[in-house]
Amino acid sequence: GAGVSQSPSNKVTEKGKDVELRCDPISGHTALYWYRQSLGQGLEFLIYFQGNSAPDKSGLPSDRFSAERTGGSVSTLTIQRTQQEDSAVYLCASSTQRGGSPLHFGNGTRLTVT
Amino acid sequence: DQQVKQNSPSLSVQEGRISILNCDYTNSMFDYFLWYKKYPAEGPTFLISISSIKDKNEDGRFTVFLNKSAKHLSLHIVPSQPGDSAVYFCAAPVLSGTYKYIFGTGTRLKVLA
Repeated sequence: GAGVSQSPSNKVTEKGKDVELRCDPISGHTALYWYRQSLGQGLEFLIYFQGNSAPDKSGLPSDRFSAERTGGSVSTLTIQRTQQEDSAVYLCASSTQRGGSPLHFGNGTRLTVT
Repeated sequence: DQQVKQNSPSLSVQEGRISILNCDYTNSMFDYFLWYKKYPAEGPTFLISISSIKDKNEDGRFTVFLNKSAKHLSLHIVPSQPGDSAVYFCAAPVLSGTYKYIFGTGTRLKVLA
């Protein structure tokens, strides 16, 4: 079956512009996560959605970052007024959310802020 | 506060030999650990996991060992193959209202032909 799909795969933007990154999770997966990987770093948790519950936004680095998940499926991560330090690979993952069930990742969006 | 640590950023191993990737953790409440493999320009893929009630889990060439007293786990790959060259991440889910997965910084494995 289809895996997690992310678009675009690459995005180059100018400092100060807004960007939107999209994630289509695996059908039936109730949990959706956003992570980012900066150069030479591990995977940094950003935000988590589970069903209709309030999202866990504890990993968002600033109020320039926001995310939505519409209809319990597709998610959009928005970064406003991008800065150069926002350059990273943004990874989306979904899971069934049974305790400890593994995350299934998309291939990521590589964001470059010039 | 890095709860999951991978202290070796890179490792080179000859084809056919054993690769040992290490991971240390600080949170004794972790009850499950996972290993992921990541190729360039791809997302991480799940490799193998272990519950804290076990000390070993094996799947083909991959075995994960857990030493709870030392808060240490390791991934063994035997025999190593060139296709195993990738970045390996260990991870643990933290139940803090939600299941938040904490990842290490990764170890880049290079298997030399």
